[in-house]
Amino acid sequence: DIQMTQSPSTLSASVGDRVTITCRASQSISSWLAWYQQKPGKAPKVLIYKASNLESGVPSRFSGSGSGTEFTLTISSLQPDDFATYYCQQYNTYSTFGQGTKVEIK
Amino acid sequence: QLQLQESGPGLVKPSETLSLTCNVSGGSISSNSYFWGWIRQPPGKGLEWIGSMSYRGITYYNPSLKSRVTLSVDTSKNRFSLKLSSVTAADTAVYFCASIYDSRGYWFYWGQGTRVTVSS
Repeated sequence: DIQMTQSPSTLSASVGDRVTITCRASQSISSWLAWYQQKPGKAPKVLIYKASNLESGVPSRFSGSGSGTEFTLTISSLQPDDFATYYCQQYNTYSTFGQGTKVEIK
Repeated sequence: QLQLQESGPGLVKPSETLSLTCNVSGGSISSNSYFWGWIRQPPGKGLEWIGSMSYRGITYYNPSLKSRVTLSVDTSKNRFSLKLSSVTAADTAVYFCASIYDSRGYWFYWGQGTRVTVSS
């Protein structure tokens, strides 16, 4: 099984900050990685697919990078609507999610 | 625009079988454009993939749940279903149905989720 490990688990930041979340895979997944945003009581929403491709309608302040086993999600300038929990998901072999990173207000 | 809606009991007794249905609207469950699946989220925890299937019946299951999970499709009612047997309190979670679109591999469409509690 492919395990996905995110860091940090919680991140405290202010509006306007640059934020980076890391996701590591236990084996190479090429670029088969997606990032999701989830708000309380809601279903997740995809932000990035294939590691670095921005889903249609997602603000350009979100970006993704990486390949193989190391990936990052960056929010260039944190906005009030961005306080949420973020998950990575590999889809190289079946589907596995990271444990999540909660972005909270500092 | 595809829409998914979960339905089923909100309370299941330990050792019994959890059964949920996902009703699909805005698209055909028989379309080759979609892959269907279930994902769950225990209270205060992260997302766990349960399983995925095509309308033709090709299925993939999370190895940790495989022995207890059955997925099925009902093309006549445009819906798909999850059965999870021998449930315990650890199966208490919000259950989401979701869809992969156009072989992209990631979960693009989601239902709103339904909370299932396992308790006597």
